[in-house]
Amino acid sequence: DTEVTQTPKHLVMGMTNKKSLKCEQHMGHRAMYWYKQKAKKPPELMFVYSYEKLSINESVPSRFSPECPNSSLLNLHLHALQPEDSALYLCASSQVATGVDSPLHFGNGTRLTVT
Amino acid sequence: KNEVEQSPQNLTAQEGEFITINCSYSVGISALHWLQQHPGGGIVSLFMLSSGKKKHGRLIATINIQEKHSSLHITASHPRDSAVYICAGRGSDSGGGADGLTFGKGTHLIIQP
Repeated sequence: DTEVTQTPKHLVMGMTNKKSLKCEQHMGHRAMYWYKQKAKKPPELMFVYSYEKLSINESVPSRFSPECPNSSLLNLHLHALQPEDSALYLCASSQVATGVDSPLHFGNGTRLTVT
Repeated sequence: KNEVEQSPQNLTAQEGEFITINCSYSVGISALHWLQQHPGGGIVSLFMLSSGKKKHGRLIATINIQEKHSSLHITASHPRDSAVYICAGRGSDSGGGADGLTFGKGTHLIIQP
């Protein structure tokens, strides 16, 4: 079982809906990540939070809005998505945001379908 | 940008065979993850290497820093090993900023009974 918990596991939403994806870890990690993965493709980095501050935003459209309320929680707010945004959204965490001794731990992902 | 190349892309083998998956990477990567992903599922981190060799059960990962090459080996392969195996480079701390991972395209492994 993963130590990074993502909810919901599956989400179907219309293009006018507003929804949120949630990620939680209690390992004391200070870096948290959102990745997007399309079918048969490797994950693509979207956002990195380091000590609850947004550190990397890989030119992600504004319809995706991340939030890190505290060191254990990471949210991804979704608004006005497009069908091409349908994908597996993966959360990960690591002890710190850099360094060779800080492996990433991944959640099981949220399978998002935009209709 | 860092690059990570994996081979083979697809691999089908019989149960019990010794499996090797290779990964080559460019400069700027300080450590390498080997990850496992089952269909439709989340990602499990198998190893993170910056030098030498690591072993966990039937899995062995090696890395050669000079040649910028890493391998993942599976001994006595089993159908439950069927999954996508991904190598991913962890960026070096070149400015104090945070980094994610640079992923290879993955190796789709099928172990037939």
